[in-house]
Amino acid sequence: SQQGEEDPQALSIQEGENATMNCSYKTSKNNLQWYRQNSGRGLVHLILIRSNEREKHSGRLRVTLDTSKKSSSLLITASRAADTASYFCATRSYNTDKLIFGTGTRLQVFP
Amino acid sequence: DGGITQSPKYLFRKEGQNVTLSCEQNLNHDAMYWYRQDPGQGLRLIYYSQIVNDFQKGDIAEGYSVSREKKESFPLTVTSAQKNPTAFYLCASSIVASVNTGELFFGEGSRLTVL
Repeated sequence: SQQGEEDPQALSIQEGENATMNCSYKTSKNNLQWYRQNSGRGLVHLILIRSNEREKHSGRLRVTLDTSKKSSSLLITASRAADTASYFCATRSYNTDKLIFGTGTRLQVFP
Repeated sequence: DGGITQSPKYLFRKEGQNVTLSCEQNLNHDAMYWYRQDPGQGLRLIYYSQIVNDFQKGDIAEGYSVSREKKESFPLTVTSAQKNPTAFYLCASSIVASVNTGELFFGEGSRLTVL
């Protein structure tokens, strides 16, 4: 399988705490993307980090990328109950140009 | 509002029946995709289309068929040949498949249950 893997598979925290999710991928053409999925809903694009970038911020989100280790992390600071969702990383295959999704991290934020 | 509309949201099927899931987008995107999502397995690509009247198989195309007669529409048929069709199906689109960004826009999904 070409799928990446997120770690941990599940994460439970209290509101106000930070949540860190990691992604290991096998192939990436140009960039890495993170998506969010609320239960039973479609995915929503959160942030994209290019292969020549090491860190990127967007509001309470901070994403890092280490191309030598083929890994990325997503940090959500000062989490809220509304952040409860599954988070997926996605990379584009060199060979086929298809977007390949990881297996996801289920985040539960308790009020 | 621009977006992707999937229908129906819930669908029940008897074994041996074909069913068609609808996906319509008004974003004027060239590329459209169908993904299957099973618990704990993330998303797997079924079919994708980069242009009207053309489409390619993804990683798990067996038992599925698609058409792309119009830019805005990309219906997916789950045939009786699909051994385990119960899943959550997601349709997505993007401006062009192979640019550096390639952000995907997703519909709200269709949940198919085989009885």
